[in-house]
Amino acid sequence: GAVVSQHPSRVICKSGTSVKIECRSLDFQATTMFWYRQFPKQSLMLMATSNEGSKATYEQGVEKDKFLINHASLTLSTLTVTSAHPEDSSFYICSARDLWGQGMTEQFFGPGTRLTVL
Amino acid sequence: AQSVTQLDSQVPVFEEAPVELRCNYSSSVSVYLFWYVQYPNQGLQLLLKYLSGSTLVKGINGFEAEFNKSQTSFHLRKPSVHISDTAEYFCAVSDEGFQKLVFGTGTRLLVSP
Repeated sequence: GAVVSQHPSRVICKSGTSVKIECRSLDFQATTMFWYRQFPKQSLMLMATSNEGSKATYEQGVEKDKFLINHASLTLSTLTVTSAHPEDSSFYICSARDLWGQGMTEQFFGPGTRLTVL
Repeated sequence: AQSVTQLDSQVPVFEEAPVELRCNYSSSVSVYLFWYVQYPNQGLQLLLKYLSGSTLVKGINGFEAEFNKSQTSFHLRKPSVHISDTAEYFCAVSDEGFQKLVFGTGTRLLVSP
């Protein structure tokens, strides 16, 4: 099946710093990537949808200036948490959609990145 | 708007017993339904999906689910669970455009010996 990786898997940073998380589709081209946030023992909340070569579409309530998303190629999307604060601590998961393999119907998920802001 | 309800936050069950995890959805348009499993500190893995056709869908690891349009349900079942099935299970719905997935709150399946 299609494989999606995330890097880093775990990051700890100081309050006020910025953190970049990478999401890569390893064996397919992902025209669309999705970024989710998951609080402990809760569901996944969609933050934004990222289409290659265009600006991301953010869900209501998500600050686009705080969560910068770049989808510069068909295999890479990045999420940058700017000026991170402790309340940004969470599990961030990306997913990718392959239009030519499984078609539009399935999203393939990365393993997630645990962000802890001190 | 679409939504998904997973009424059971946690389901304890003994090994080799059958299990059913409940999922109900609401939508004003045709939907596509998914079940995902999440092991601790990992991403999500697709168990099965309903797009069209037979309402009984078989997935990986011996799981199956039945789409019931009249009851707007998509319950997940397994006839005999293993310890290794202990995980968080998420039901999700997508519209015809597959623009995004809306997830339920999840059900933690706890399998004990």
